[in-house]
Amino acid sequence: DSGVTQTPKHLITATGQRVTLRCSPRSGDLSVYWYQQSLDQGLQFLIQYYNGEERAKGNILERFSAQQFPDLHSELNLSSLELGDSALYFCASSVGPRDEQYFGPGTRLTVT
Amino acid sequence: AQSVAQPEDQVNVAEGNPLTVKCTYSVSGNPYLFWYVQYPNRGLQFLLKYITGDNLVKGSYGFEAEFNKSQTSFHLKKPSALVSDSALYFCAVREGTTDSWGKLQFGAGTQVVVTP
Repeated sequence: DSGVTQTPKHLITATGQRVTLRCSPRSGDLSVYWYQQSLDQGLQFLIQYYNGEERAKGNILERFSAQQFPDLHSELNLSSLELGDSALYFCASSVGPRDEQYFGPGTRLTVT
Repeated sequence: AQSVAQPEDQVNVAEGNPLTVKCTYSVSGNPYLFWYVQYPNRGLQFLLKYITGDNLVKGSYGFEAEFNKSQTSFHLKKPSALVSDSALYFCAVREGTTDSWGKLQFGAGTQVVVTP
């Protein structure tokens, strides 16, 4: 157990809908990262927050957004969902940007 | 820009034999290098990292990796593989500058299959 929690574990929704994925980092970690893992794209970095502020952006679509709250938990919002958004979404956390990242168990999103 | 290559989609090894998983990288500055392992339906688990210092890095579960700057490689090794080492292994790199923050670039992954 990495200490990073993610909810829900599984999510099934229809195209065009909006969902929110939630992540709680390890105690003491200030950085939170979101990744998308799919068979065709592999593991893709989406976005990073450090102590509430966005610090780095990767291959995140405009339909996706995220935030980190004062208690350091983070949410990833996915809207206008398409079939291609079906993937595993991982949250990771680290003490700081130079440290190793610890990954949560992931949320498996299925868009039908 | 940073990139990582894992040239082998799959590595097959017999239990008890040495295991090597290859990784090469490209960054514009000093590299921070990481290895992670993913078991089915699980998140990634951190194995080891190279930031600076000794080129041979020891990590969890008997794994080690050797940083080779001239060959821009960071191969993962285990002297004696176990069946339980069968999993998907990811190499990752980030630039060692403040601007890049924690943005990790992952390789495509190498499936390791250890047979009894």
